[in-house]
Amino acid sequence: AQSVAQPEDQVNVAEGNPLTVKCTYSVSGNPYLFWYVQYPNRGLQFLLKYITGDNLVKGSYGFEAEFNKSQTSFHLKKPSALVSDSALYFCAVTPYGGATNKLIFGTGTLLAVQP
Amino acid sequence: NAGVMQNPRHLVRRRGQEARLRCSPMKGHSHVYWYRQLPEEGLKFMVYLQKENIIDESGMPKERFSAEFPKEGPSILRIQQVVRGDSAAYFCASSRDTPAGDAEAFFGQGTRLTVV
Repeated sequence: AQSVAQPEDQVNVAEGNPLTVKCTYSVSGNPYLFWYVQYPNRGLQFLLKYITGDNLVKGSYGFEAEFNKSQTSFHLKKPSALVSDSALYFCAVTPYGGATNKLIFGTGTLLAVQP
Repeated sequence: NAGVMQNPRHLVRRRGQEARLRCSPMKGHSHVYWYRQLPEEGLKFMVYLQKENIIDESGMPKERFSAEFPKEGPSILRIQQVVRGDSAAYFCASSRDTPAGDAEAFFGQGTRLTVV
């Protein structure tokens, strides 16, 4: 079955430290990969996507993600965390051949940045 | 340019009533998607529509649920004879048309349906 895994329910990091939120996927073919962020009582906001090309993708608010085909991973990273980055982060994938936004979502990782 | 607008934000229905959720896509977007988020779970795809057409409804329950995106007006997700298990947040997303079909979706703030 096609799926997305976010192995950590919560990630805690101190402000100013680098952060990583992990995502692995299991889909056939070459997927499109996305990261979205959800603030309390808000909809999802698009952060970045990988379609093709350079494996390192840069997105909004200083976030970036690296596509690793051999490890089927798409980890989200930021060099220096801010308290305002605290939110729920979702990794999502479009299986090859599917409509781009018929997304399979992970269960989300809560990022908590301590001052 | 307003974002994806969903209304109502909160909806309370008694078991057996109908729930009607509305979604106005971003200006210039012709693709609409509906997702459902159950408590403690990620979002699950329900249906994908383009103007006047249902493209993919593989995530829709076979009964009681329907969706439309008319030529004029918002997209509507309709749930008939609601049950407590329908309580969830329903998110709408829209995207623009591109030759490669690779435009990302923008999400609305969701409608939180509570069935009592």
